[in-house]
Amino acid sequence: EVQLVETGGGLIQPGGSLRLSCTASGFSVSDNYMSWVRRAPGRGLEWVSIFYTAGVTYYADSVKGRFTISRDNSKNTVYLQMSSLRAEDTAMYYCATSDYGDNVFANHWGQGTLVTVSS
Amino acid sequence: DIVMTQSPDSLAVSLGERATINCKSSQSVLYSSNNKNYLAWYQQRPGQPPKLLFYWASTRESGVPDRFTGSGSGTDFTLTISSLQAEDVAVYYCQHYYSTPFTFGPGTKVDIK
Repeated sequence: EVQLVETGGGLIQPGGSLRLSCTASGFSVSDNYMSWVRRAPGRGLEWVSIFYTAGVTYYADSVKGRFTISRDNSKNTVYLQMSSLRAEDTAMYYCATSDYGDNVFANHWGQGTLVTVSS
Repeated sequence: DIVMTQSPDSLAVSLGERATINCKSSQSVLYSSNNKNYLAWYQQRPGQPPKLLFYWASTRESGVPDRFTGSGSGTDFTLTISSLQAEDVAVYYCQHYYSTPFTFGPGTKVDIK
């Protein structure tokens, strides 16, 4: 059974850094596209980043240059390193993946980890 | 970047009645090489992660009730709930995956009237 568990969220001051982890079971993260999606309080879903199986990565303009997605195959984990955090980065962060080969649409999601950026 | 819009922002429908949500992309998400629309629909219930309903605009994900229908092509898409049930109360999002960034629509909140 596919499972995704996000950890690493918490309260962080503006300008700070945080690393989120998404630990997978039931499949290998090296075999799937892995995405991060967030939802800020009172707002809709926002696509954040994706790690393709071939190692190519993409980011939303709102996080480009501040966030870095990476993958550790030995730990079967995907990370989202977040730096220069702003109040508008406050959100629930979800990790997601697809059973359907190299596809972006995601039929497996974690429960999310909450990031709060506030002084 | 492709901009996704949805209408209405919210709607309230009586149990057993039809709910219709529209999604529009600022440019076509139909790939001519394979004739597929790179468009997905998600449902997010309160306190839950999103759940995939449709991909390729109209392919229903396994386990999704057949009262849900995805349709449309090019730039205009529709999600229809033929007979609203209490468990369908949620926010519904479309998302394109034609090119990065893979933007979501702003969401449509569905409630019971």
